Amino acid sequence: QLQLQESGPRVVKPSETLSLTCTVSSGFITSYYWTWIRQSPGKGLEWVGNGHYGGNTNYSPSLKRRVSISVDMSMNQISLKVHSVTTADTAVYYCAREVGYLDVWGQGLLVTVSS
Amino acid sequence: EIVLTQSPGTLSLSPGERATLSCRASETVTANYLAWYQQKPGQAPRLLMHAASRRAAGIPDRFSGSGSGTDFTLTISRLEPEDFALYFCQQYDRSPFLFGGGTKVEF
Repeated sequence: QLQLQESGPRVVKPSETLSLTCTVSSGFITSYYWTWIRQSPGKGLEWVGNGHYGGNTNYSPSLKRRVSISVDMSMNQISLKVHSVTTADTAVYYCAREVGYLDVWGQGLLVTVSS
Repeated sequence: EIVLTQSPGTLSLSPGERATLSCRASETVTANYLAWYQQKPGQAPRLLMHAASRRAAGIPDRFSGSGSGTDFTLTISRLEPEDFALYFCQQYDRSPFLFGGGTKVEF
């Protein structure tokens, strides 16, 4: 059964870059788009963007200037970078497999932006 | 971009009652590319429905979805204690694949 696991620093300083990795438990990473979603404490779900191993990406208009997503086939990982973070970027970050809709989700990782 | 508006924000019901959740899109969602997710406290969201009315694997048949175009509905026919949670809709017709703001079903 496919499993996704987010990893990365739990605390990031303001103005720095948030870097997260999503590890896919089994193969076929090249067959799908992979999506990052975040959820600020007590808030709703925010679609961050998606990416494919072929290099195609789509980003939320509100985050487009600061976000990048890439897929590493050799490592079976999807990465997310959010540049120039502020406290507003504090959230639980989820990765998910996209088959149009999002059918498999990681457990999520809380990242706090704080000095 | 397609903006989704969910209503009500909170639905206060009792076990055994029927829940009706609405998701309205700012533009037509082609081919009913709309999904519903359930989220319980401290957990990741879980896929309930896709293509507006198709239940995901393992989802009980008390959950049903309907609608087309711009108006979609998630119905829980008889609430079980484990159904009290947050529910989100998402369109996957056109990027950005935004979510609605969510409906909390509370007891």
